[in-house]
Amino acid sequence: SQELEQSPQSLIVQEGKNLTINCTSSKTLYGLYWYKQKYGEGLIFLMMLQKGGEEKSHEKITAKLDEKKQQSSLHITASQPSHAGIYLCGAGVNRDDKIIFGKGTRLHILP
Amino acid sequence: DAGVIQSPRHEVTEMGQEVTLRCKPISGHDYLFWYRQTMMRGLELLIYFNNNVPIDDSGMPEDRFSAKMPNASFSTLKIQPSEPRDSAVYFCASSPGKGGWGNQPQHFGDGTRLSIL
Repeated sequence: SQELEQSPQSLIVQEGKNLTINCTSSKTLYGLYWYKQKYGEGLIFLMMLQKGGEEKSHEKITAKLDEKKQQSSLHITASQPSHAGIYLCGAGVNRDDKIIFGKGTRLHILP
Repeated sequence: DAGVIQSPRHEVTEMGQEVTLRCKPISGHDYLFWYRQTMMRGLELLIYFNNNVPIDDSGMPEDRFSAKMPNASFSTLKIQPSEPRDSAVYFCASSPGKGGWGNQPQHFGDGTRLSIL
């Protein structure tokens, strides 16, 4: 079965610093999704990547997809307290309609 | 626009009791997903529906779990009898079209935090 591994599991950074979160799939990726979850709340969709080499940005968050490496990275520039939360990557399974998720990366921003 | 609505937000009950979780998807969304989230196992897909029909229930842990979608605007996830190991946050999500590789993101509700004593 396909698995998504996220690294690091937890990250503490000083406000204003840049950071990167990685998501690696054990099998071919069919669509890659990034979500953010605030503690005690639901998942908020950030962005979706479909093609190898694709890169998307939303405010200070940029995500890239490396199809050959079956990997995606999420980069936050000049982090702010509002970026704190859990970031989850999700990927399409084979050609099904369902998505599997990584276990998430917990991000803490120090003021 | 209203998002995915789940109820209740919190549920605390004793072992052996029946638990029913409810979900109202976003209007017009053809797909509905039920997930369970725990620290140990992360976010797990339990079952999903397309046009009210269950498509894949391979993630349902045991026969104690059942899910229904009687119409396009309502779904339930039932646990009977409940056990302490069922304690988790249960999420409902919906999407407007084919998910997964079909490139339609899922929209999540705020979840139901379930505690079985």
